[in-house]
Amino acid sequence: AQTVTQSQPEMSVQEAETVTLSCTYDTSESDYYLFWYKQPPSRQMILVIRQEAYKQQNATENRFSVNFQKAAKSFSLKISDSQLGDAAMYFCAYGDDKIIFGKGTRLHILP
Amino acid sequence: NAGVTQTPKFRVLKTGQSMTLLCAQDMNHEYMYWYRQDPGMGLRLIHYSVGEGTTAKGEVPDGYNVSRLKKQNFLLGLESAAPSQTSVYFCASRFRREVNEQFFGPGTRLTVL
Repeated sequence: AQTVTQSQPEMSVQEAETVTLSCTYDTSESDYYLFWYKQPPSRQMILVIRQEAYKQQNATENRFSVNFQKAAKSFSLKISDSQLGDAAMYFCAYGDDKIIFGKGTRLHILP
Repeated sequence: NAGVTQTPKFRVLKTGQSMTLLCAQDMNHEYMYWYRQDPGMGLRLIHYSVGEGTTAKGEVPDGYNVSRLKKQNFLLGLESAAPSQTSVYFCASRFRREVNEQFFGPGTRLTVL
């Protein structure tokens, strides 16, 4: 069965600094997709970034980028120039038809 | 467009009671999903559907049933509610072509006493 593991339940970063959130997954599939979602206190789920497994190039979206290591089954999220509005729960997700999520990392931004 | 809506937003049940949660989407999405979110557990997939008339089990399907009679609606049923089913339930939908982002509803907070 596919699994998604986020080993950091909570993290803190100083405003304007860079932080990396870890995610590993387990699968026997070769084609799949990976996602990072953000959930602020409003509970709304917001897509941060998406990566297709067949693409070697790491996805980037403004201050957000990923380090995708397919052989290691690792998919970490880097947030550069952290802002107070980045404070939220961050979920890593894996899948194709079925999308499953990790347990999340709560990110605190220190002013 | 309303996007993904969930009915009701809050509900309190007694153990053994039944209820149905409704998810509706107006984006013509083929795929729909039901998740539950519990503290420290992230989002866990209950059931999902890849098209009208089809459903499949997710990670935690026991105690739940689903139906997708219409493309725009995905119903989640609890036949005999248990306190362990106290949770926040999220519905999501997306297009089939090119696995893209899921659009999530606002959630339903369910308490089973």
